[in-house]
Amino acid sequence: KAGVTQTPRYLIKTRGQQVTLSCSPISGHRSVSWYQQTPGQGLQFLFEYFSETQRNKGNFPGRFSGRQFSNSRSEMNVSTLELGDSALYLCASSLTTNTEAFFGQGTRLTVV
Amino acid sequence: GQQVMQIPQYQHVQEGEDFTTYCNSSTTLSNIQWYKQRPGGHPVFLIQLVKSGEVKKQKRLTFQFGEAKKNSSLHITATQTTDVGTYFCAPGAGSYQLTFGKGTKLSVIP
Repeated sequence: KAGVTQTPRYLIKTRGQQVTLSCSPISGHRSVSWYQQTPGQGLQFLFEYFSETQRNKGNFPGRFSGRQFSNSRSEMNVSTLELGDSALYLCASSLTTNTEAFFGQGTRLTVV
Repeated sequence: GQQVMQIPQYQHVQEGEDFTTYCNSSTTLSNIQWYKQRPGGHPVFLIQLVKSGEVKKQKRLTFQFGEAKKNSSLHITATQTTDVGTYFCAPGAGSYQLTFGKGTKLSVIP
């Protein structure tokens, strides 16, 4: 079966702009989580969606938002980009709570 | 999400040596997952431990879950260059998120 697909793979944006990242989970998976990975902070949880509802949110400013569609595909948006938002953004899907998470290849965002 | 301390942060070993990374929590965990991320790659699930005192093996990898379900370890016997990467633990406590440890970055010197 197809894995988790994230688009785009690479993105360069200017400070102050906004960006939208997309994630298509494995077919049948209704839980989609987003993580930010930086060399200094490691893997940090952003938020998790299940059946179009945000069930949990990490400690990130309101500039970071997300949503999930009825087909389980998810998007995350970052507004008013800052240099510190440069990171690898990973999406993971899973069947249910506390089961194996399947990660996408990630979107490498560079803010200049 | 549950907070865990993962040690060491970095480990350099000679090929053929053993390697162990530890994951410690101050609270009881319902389960723990382990992931491996190769350089330039994404995290890949290795295993999930659920039972107190559980030990699972995958070829040269041995995973343990402590009796009190507050700590876990991953041991690699006779490391190979293919073992290079960062190993993360992710504890579960019945919540809807995975809170990853900082990870242990393993370098293997040929």
